[in-house]
Amino acid sequence: GAGVSQSPRYKVAKRGQDVALRCDPISGHVSLFWYQQALGQGPEFLTYFQNEAQLDKSGLPSDRFFAERPEGSVSTLKIQRTQQEDSAVYLCASSPGTLSYNEQFFGPGTRLTVL
Amino acid sequence: GQQVMQIPQYQHVQEGEDFTTYCNSSTTLSNIQWYKQRPGGHPVFLIQLVKSGEVKKQKRLTFQFGEAKKNSSLHITATQTTDVGTYFCAAYTGTASKLTFGTGTRLQVTL
Repeated sequence: GAGVSQSPRYKVAKRGQDVALRCDPISGHVSLFWYQQALGQGPEFLTYFQNEAQLDKSGLPSDRFFAERPEGSVSTLKIQRTQQEDSAVYLCASSPGTLSYNEQFFGPGTRLTVL
Repeated sequence: GQQVMQIPQYQHVQEGEDFTTYCNSSTTLSNIQWYKQRPGGHPVFLIQLVKSGEVKKQKRLTFQFGEAKKNSSLHITATQTTDVGTYFCAAYTGTASKLTFGTGTRLQVTL
């Protein structure tokens, strides 16, 4: 595709509900990242995949957050039993290589609101 | 943990004025990237600096990486309304995969 796409663009969940956010990276990009961006803040790293392997999940705030990329392309970020503090924009980014010198291409994000 | 601070937090200029944002780290950085995020948009990569003392230019934008590789700056000459947005510096800290974003500088430009 032309760029990174994410769906849904907006999600409203009641507290306690589970949500699943999808990311379609740029075709052929090896690296995939998830970020959480609270209002007025910079993106905060959540997790990193190299192909299908989740190499870094140090940023996931709790065990309610789970991410997968089973075939090394599309990724899903799942949040179980959502809480109000989970309200944020969730950004996905991909990068063509595995080195930290590569730029990251961001998707439009999913704005999650937990009521 | 590693933090990357930016100043100022917010700046409001009139079109045609210059603008500078500064990025500071307490530790030496291997490289630094700059991103721009328009209101309601997503971060867009601008540039990467790797070498000590490096200076790069993109039209009206000038990027610098400090000699000690602990600070960086972005300078915009003669701002335009299209420059409106939040500018973030970002650096890989800790692991090779964790990109840490600065606190950001929000730029507002008025006619």
